[in-house]
Amino acid sequence: AQSVTQLDSHVSVSEGTPVLLRCNYSSSYSPSLFWYVQHPNKGLQLLLKYTSAATLVKGINGFEAEFKKSETSFHLTKPSAHMSDAAEYFCVVSDLFMEYGNKLVFGAGTILRVKS
Amino acid sequence: NAGVTQTPKFRVLKTGQSMTLLCAQDMNHEYMYWYRQDPGMGLRLIHYSVGEGTTAKGEVPDGYNVSRLKKQNFLLGLESAAPSQTSVYFCASSYSSTSGYTGELFFGEGSRLTVL
Repeated sequence: AQSVTQLDSHVSVSEGTPVLLRCNYSSSYSPSLFWYVQHPNKGLQLLLKYTSAATLVKGINGFEAEFKKSETSFHLTKPSAHMSDAAEYFCVVSDLFMEYGNKLVFGAGTILRVKS
Repeated sequence: NAGVTQTPKFRVLKTGQSMTLLCAQDMNHEYMYWYRQDPGMGLRLIHYSVGEGTTAKGEVPDGYNVSRLKKQNFLLGLESAAPSQTSVYFCASSYSSTSGYTGELFFGEGSRLTVL
């Protein structure tokens, strides 16, 4: 069975400093991995995805994530935080696409706070 | 460019009342989903649909019913609301596996339901 663990429920950084949001996964197969972002009172938006191509994945707004199979990790990073990055971030794992429907498993979320 | 639209955005119910949440998408997606979001638990799949006239149970289906009479609409019903169903409900849609599915879900902005 697949599962996702986001290691920090809250992360606080100062504007202009690096961001690291940690995610470990468990999957029986070769997984697809995603990061979604949710701004307050909004729906979720895809930041980036890994689907067995390059292990370093670049997403929108300067975010990137590295797939490390040996560590079963898919951490999200950004070199320099901006105030607009304050949001909740979800790491998501998907095994092989199921015949019916999309089998995504969501992590519990990490709330990113950016201080000025 | 509406994307995924959910109505209503807010609703307060008394225990035992019924209601229906409506989701509409204008992207011609085959697949549609209903999730609930609770603090510290990420998103959990309630029901999903892989096409007009078909629905299936997700992870937490008890107490909910769904219908997909038209391709663009996916309705979530609560027949007898309970306080445990207080949550934020998200509708999402995606392409099918035979028409460009990439793993990305497109989300509405959510419907906040409180059951007293």
